[in-house]
This record gives sequence, structure tokens and C-alpha cells, in this order.
Amino acid sequence: KAGVTQTPRYLIKTRGQQVTLSCSPISGHRSVSWYQQTPGQGLQFLFEYFSETQRNKGNFPGRFSGRQFSNSRSEMNVSTLELGDSALYLCASSLIPVNTEAFFGQGTRLTVV
Amino acid sequence: TQLLEQSPQFLSIQEGENLTVYCNSSSVFSSLQWYRQEPGEGPVLLVTVVTGGEVKKLKRLTFQFGDARKDSSLHITAAQPGDTGLYLCAGKSAGAGSYQLTFGKGTKLSVIP
Repeated sequence: KAGVTQTPRYLIKTRGQQVTLSCSPISGHRSVSWYQQTPGQGLQFLFEYFSETQRNKGNFPGRFSGRQFSNSRSEMNVSTLELGDSALYLCASSLIPVNTEAFFGQGTRLTVV
Repeated sequence: TQLLEQSPQFLSIQEGENLTVYCNSSSVFSSLQWYRQEPGEGPVLLVTVVTGGEVKKLKRLTFQFGDARKDSSLHITAAQPGDTGLYLCAGKSAGAGSYQLTFGKGTKLSVIP
């Protein structure tokens, strides 16, 4: 079966702009989590969605937001981009939130210039 | 805030050598996962350990969960160049109501032919 699909793979934006990233989970998976990965901080949890509801949120500013659609696809949005937002953004899907079998997409590499 | 400390941060070894990577925390986790990530890709789940003292083997890889469920180790026997990558441990908090993984910063392994 198809894996987790993230689009786009690469993105270059300038400071102050906003960006929307997309994640399509594995078919049948209803939980989607987002992570930010940087060389200095490693993988940091952004938020988790299940049944179109945000169930948990990490310690990130309000510029970072997300949503989940009825087909379980998810988007995350970052507004007023800063240089420090440059990172690999990873999406993980699982059947249900408490299920520890999470499958990651290839990520979106965001570069802010 | 729960933290997972991984050591060593970097490891460069010759093909055929053995190695052990450690993942330690002061917190108890209900389960712990190991992932391997290659450059430009998302992490790929290798194993999940749940029971204190549990040992799991995946070909040349041996994973162990500490008795107190606070630490874990990954041992690779006769390393091969294909083992090169970033090894990440991730813990799911005991009693957490929703799905959130806490990741270590990883061990970057290079196996030289």
C-alpha cells in the first residue's frame, strides 16, 4: 500500500512569507502528527490530529498551525516565516493516536532566505 | 519536559566491527521505538519495545529495553556500509492520553567499507 506522502518535497521562501505543507497519510490511518527536524534540536513535536481535531500541541509559537480534513489528509501552515524556521518538516501517520506504530513521510525541506 | 539522551552522537567504524548505541532518560516510557533515517528521507521504524527487560532481534541488530523502562540500547553486530544512517530512539510517555513521541537527537553512524 502507498506510504505517507508529503508535498512539496522542497520549498524556498523569503522571510515574512507564509507556507502551507501537505500530508496524505497511509490509507486507513486516521492520526497524523507533525514534527520539525533541525540539526541542533533534532525532531520536535509540533501537533497531532485525529478525526479533524487537534489532540496535542508541542511548544511552538502560534505562527505554526495545522488542520486535518475529513479524508484524514492534513496541512500545516507557518505564517510570518523566520530564518530559524528552516528545517525538515516530517509528517507521521498511525491508525489511531495511541498506536505507537507511526510511519513517516519523506518530509518537506523548507529553506527560509 | 521528558528528555532522551543518545550516545554517542557520532560513530565512525570499519565494516565488520560491532557497536552499541545508547538511549537514556530519567523518565519512564510505556514503550520505546528505534528508527533509522537516511539523508533526505523520513525516519523508518525498526522496532518497538514495550516490556521492561525485553530483547528483540532484527537480523544483526539487537534491541534491549531497560528493566525500569527508562533506557534502551541498540547493538549492531558485524556492521555493514548499508547500516550507515542516523539512528533515533523515541519514547512514548507512560499514561499519556494522546499520541506524542519524544525523540532523542540521534546517533549518526558511518560504516566505512
